[in-house]
Amino acid sequence: DIVLTQSPGTLSLSPGERATLSCRASQSVSSNYLAWYQAKPGQAPRLVIYATSSRATGIPDRFSGSGSGTDFTLTINRLEPEDFAVYYCQQFGDGNSPRYSFGQGTKLEI
Amino acid sequence: EVQLLESGGGLRQPGGSLRLSCIASGFTFSSNTMAWVRRAPGKGLDWVSNLGGSGDVKYYSDSVKGRCIISRDNSNSIMYLQMIGLRTEDTAIYYCARIGLPGTFDIWGQGTTVTVSA
Repeated sequence: DIVLTQSPGTLSLSPGERATLSCRASQSVSSNYLAWYQAKPGQAPRLVIYATSSRATGIPDRFSGSGSGTDFTLTINRLEPEDFAVYYCQQFGDGNSPRYSFGQGTKLEI
Repeated sequence: EVQLLESGGGLRQPGGSLRLSCIASGFTFSSNTMAWVRRAPGKGLDWVSNLGGSGDVKYYSDSVKGRCIISRDNSNSIMYLQMIGLRTEDTAIYYCARIGLPGTFDIWGQGTTVTVSA
C-alpha cells in the first residue's frame, strides 16, 4: 500500500502569509488521483484540490496544488482566518484491489 | 443542495454491533459510488469501504474486512455500514462521502460518532 507522509505536522503562520504544505508518497502516485482536504472540528471535511491541481467548487484561487510522482504541494496564498484547519492529502490506487489512503495531516494554526 | 446525513452512531461494548446510515439528497444517488471514511481520536482520516452505484462492486480496508458489510438502498437514497465484532480501535467519527470525481471524495457528511468501550 502507498503511504503518504505530510510535512510539517504543524505550521504556525499569520493571516496574510503564505502556507506551503507537503505530501510525499512512498511510491509514485497518479496525478489524476491526488487530492487535498480541509478539516475543521465539528464540520464535514471539505475537498479543496483534486487531480493534483484542480480547485474544487467554491474554493478561492489563493489555494493551489502542484506536484507529480511522489512529491505534491498545497500552497495557500494570503492566508485568511477561515483557512486555519487541518489539511490532508489523499491518493487513490486503482489496481486489482482499489485503495484510498490519506496522509496524517498538517495542522495549520495561527 | 447536495447533502449527506449520517446517523446510527453510539456507545457499544467490544464485540458488539451497530448499523450506520447515510441519507443522501440533492443528487442522483444511484449514479454515484459512495464511501465510508473514519477519523479516530487524535488520528487522521482512514478509508473504510466503498460501494458502486448499483451496489454490486464493493471494497473494504484490511482493518474492517470480514467485520463490516456496506450496502445501499437506491430507491430511498440511503447507504449503510453494518459493523460486527466491534473493537476499541473502531472508535471514531464515521463520515459518509460521495466519490463524485475519479478517486476523490467530493462531498462529505458531518459524521456520526462510534465509541467502543467496556
